[in-house]
Amino acid sequence: DTEVTQTPKHLVMGMTNKKSLKCEQHMGHRAMYWYKQKAKKPPELMFVYSYEKLSINESVPSRFSPECPNSSLLNLHLHALQPEDSALYLCASTSRLMNTEAFFGQGTRLTVV
Amino acid sequence: TQLLEQSPQFLSIQEGENLTVYCNSSSVFSSLQWYRQEPGEGPVLLVTVVTGGEVKKLKRLTFQFGDARKDSSLHITAAQPGDTGLYLCAGPQGAQKLVFGQGTRLTINP
Repeated sequence: DTEVTQTPKHLVMGMTNKKSLKCEQHMGHRAMYWYKQKAKKPPELMFVYSYEKLSINESVPSRFSPECPNSSLLNLHLHALQPEDSALYLCASTSRLMNTEAFFGQGTRLTVV
Repeated sequence: TQLLEQSPQFLSIQEGENLTVYCNSSSVFSSLQWYRQEPGEGPVLLVTVVTGGEVKKLKRLTFQFGDARKDSSLHITAAQPGDTGLYLCAGPQGAQKLVFGQGTRLTINP
């Protein structure tokens, strides 16, 4: 199994809503990542987890809250988002932190209204 | 901060033509990766190049890592509509991060 699975594929939420994005991998990878990708731009790193501990927070606003319940799961909790947060949110995993060959999920297309 | 510059940013060619996409940096990278991303999907890893001067082939795609490990190129022979997508080069920055180029949006017209 070389897949990273993200749910939901599409999400529309209001600015007062609370929602969560989910990511799952069963490759035994120990590093997991959240990226944000705006249209016609490359992915931008948001968070890095290594062995279920937050390793990097790229100065992301607190309205985005990551969580890594176990080595296979990664969540991104969303609260009080702004329309400019609308983007494709990508989850990725690597076998370990130093390994940069990333496996990406298909992404969640988020629209904030 | 290590930057990767890709060129061209956009490329539209006819089926059957050849093309080359470039990824350049002023910094040395221990490795570079190439990804392809289709609309609404996540990037898919195509190849990793590690050794300066290395050439790797993936069917009609040929990847090269510069001798000084500061640049890489992707050459596609006899392009097909299925090659359409966003091509991203990426390399490690520090111990924990992957830095991406701006991408080359490739369109192959039938």
